[in-house]
Amino acid sequence: DARVTQTPRDKVTEMGQEVTMRCQPILGHNTVFWYRQTMMQGLELLAYFRNRAPLDDSGMPKDRFSAEMPDATLATLKIQPSEPRDSAVYFCASGLDGSYEQYFGPGTRLTVT
Amino acid sequence: GQSLEQPSEVTAVEGAIVQINCTYQTSGFYGLSWYQQHDGGAPTFLSYNALDGLEETGRFSSFLSRSDSYGYLLLQELQMKDSASYFCAVPQGGKLIFGQGTELSVKP
Repeated sequence: DARVTQTPRDKVTEMGQEVTMRCQPILGHNTVFWYRQTMMQGLELLAYFRNRAPLDDSGMPKDRFSAEMPDATLATLKIQPSEPRDSAVYFCASGLDGSYEQYFGPGTRLTVT
Repeated sequence: GQSLEQPSEVTAVEGAIVQINCTYQTSGFYGLSWYQQHDGGAPTFLSYNALDGLEETGRFSSFLSRSDSYGYLLLQELQMKDSASYFCAVPQGGKLIFGQGTELSVKP
């Protein structure tokens, strides 16, 4: 059955390194969301795309984070340079515009040492 | 701005009924969603209420009162596998704003 996929599932990196996370939304979905989840902050929205256009990235630290959708089948989230406080689980979700149901991927667990 | 309040944790025994409450303050309101997340897993959609009243889906029901800015998720005939975190969420401008989540522990 259709599902959102994310790679890598786990990433351990050193402070200062670049991290790239990838997401393949469900075919036909036209909205894509990036979330970060930590124990302290819960689920935070980082970025939101509709029809590949970025609509809201107000939750994202602009100096080090960037989100793009090079095509309808790929969304990327980059952190450069990474810092220990970026350690979290990053989820990608997709959906259909106008629907209130979002489908989440399995997440990327990022550890920055 | 918007905020959602839900209890941080709830404990119940197998076979019992549990209610997880959510109160919200939002600028513009369209409905209330509920998501379930098992430890180490991804959030999964449970329900959405746009109108007042109770929506039932098997053992799970969700209730909304727009006048009280309040909703709840009701889980009946609790099973061990229901141990998870439950999040309420409201749509805002095409995106979802999530509450902090309620961790439900089901004991034998």
